[in-house]
Formats: sequence, structure tokens, C-alpha cells
Amino acid sequence: NAGVMQNPRHLVRRRGQEARLRCSPMKGHSHVYWYRQLPEEGLKFMVYLQKENIIDESGMPKERFSAEFPKEGPSILRIQQVVRGDSAAYFCASSLDYKETQYFGPGTRLLVL
Amino acid sequence: SQQGEEDPQALSIQEGENATMNCSYKTSINNLQWYRQNSGRGLVHLILIRSNEREKHSGRLRVTLDTSKKSSSLLITASRAADTASYFCATDRQGAQKLVFGQGTRLTINP
Repeated sequence: NAGVMQNPRHLVRRRGQEARLRCSPMKGHSHVYWYRQLPEEGLKFMVYLQKENIIDESGMPKERFSAEFPKEGPSILRIQQVVRGDSAAYFCASSLDYKETQYFGPGTRLLVL
Repeated sequence: SQQGEEDPQALSIQEGENATMNCSYKTSINNLQWYRQNSGRGLVHLILIRSNEREKHSGRLRVTLDTSKKSSSLLITASRAADTASYFCATDRQGAQKLVFGQGTRLTINP
């Protein structure tokens, strides 16, 4: 049973470009969470989704960031017009149910030049 | 403000010694979890302790939870070089699903 998959593992963008981060949850998991980690810091919650629904986006910046988890396919975290401050590691986690353990993917490290 | 805060921020011990890390939090929780992160890698789930539990063991790991003091500790016994990593506690509050992480404890095991 494969774990949580994220791609790409590393992404380099220039300021103003768009970044698309993908997350495939563990098999059977329908709850997906996105977190961001700045260097030398803990993870900060961004958004919680179930299939086709955003449940909690209280950690998402108001502008440029969006997330989706379609009926088919991976969850996507999209960052438009990236700025240097968006450089961070973005982790996706999935769980079987909302009260269950969240299992994390390897992360996507975004570098904005 | 941070829900979970680990203490100490960094810990360096000799291989074979025990390592103890503490975590404090501010609000009522459902569960408290400990994760390990090797440098530049993802998070590995170590152990989950529910709010109605006081102690839990998993191999060389022992976790305690004191809800009256809003604190938890992670003990790693007979440490190994491979235990070198950052350790994070994460809490989920009642009625919410998101995890709130502390800043982490950076553990170094010296051979």
C-alpha cells in the first residue's frame, strides 16, 4: 500500500510564475490536508479538503493560493504569481477519517528565484 | 499563537542515553501526536495519544500526557545515531481536524 505521494519533489519558479503541487492520498483515504513549513520552523496548517469539498481553509492566504480535491485525480495546491516568500516545503497529509492519524507525504520543496 | 511548544529546542546526547522531549499546549485537545522529521525529509508518524490516555508505549518510545498541565513528553530510550532528527508534537483541538505543530526539538545523537 503506497504512502502519500507528492510531486514534484522539488520545484523552482521565478517570481510571477504559477506553482502547481500535487498530492495523491493513501489508498482509501478521502481526507487531505496541506501544510507549509518554513526553514527551521514547524508545519503550519493551510487547508483541509474532502473529495470535491473544502472543509477548512482557515490557514490559506487570502490571495494567490487555492486548493482542490476533485472526484478523480490528486489534490492540487495552486500558487499564482509566486513571490520569494512562498519558498518553503509544502506537505500533504491524508487520513482515513477526520479523527484518524494523518500520514504525511515527502513534501514539495518550492524555491522562488 | 502556537498551540504546541517543544522544549528543549535542541538536545544533544551520547548514543545509548535516553532522550526526553516535552511539549506544552494551550487549549483542550482530542489527540496529541508525535512526529519525526529527518533533515530535508517528510514527517514520520511515531505515536498518537488520545486525551483520555495517560501513557503509551511503542518500542523504545514512551509518551505521557497530562491534560491538567496541558503537557506531553516523549522519551526515547537507548538512543541510536539513527534517532538524530527533529521531533514535533502536534495537537488537534476538539471540533477541528487540522493539526497544530510546535517548533520542534532538534535531537542529535553523538556516536
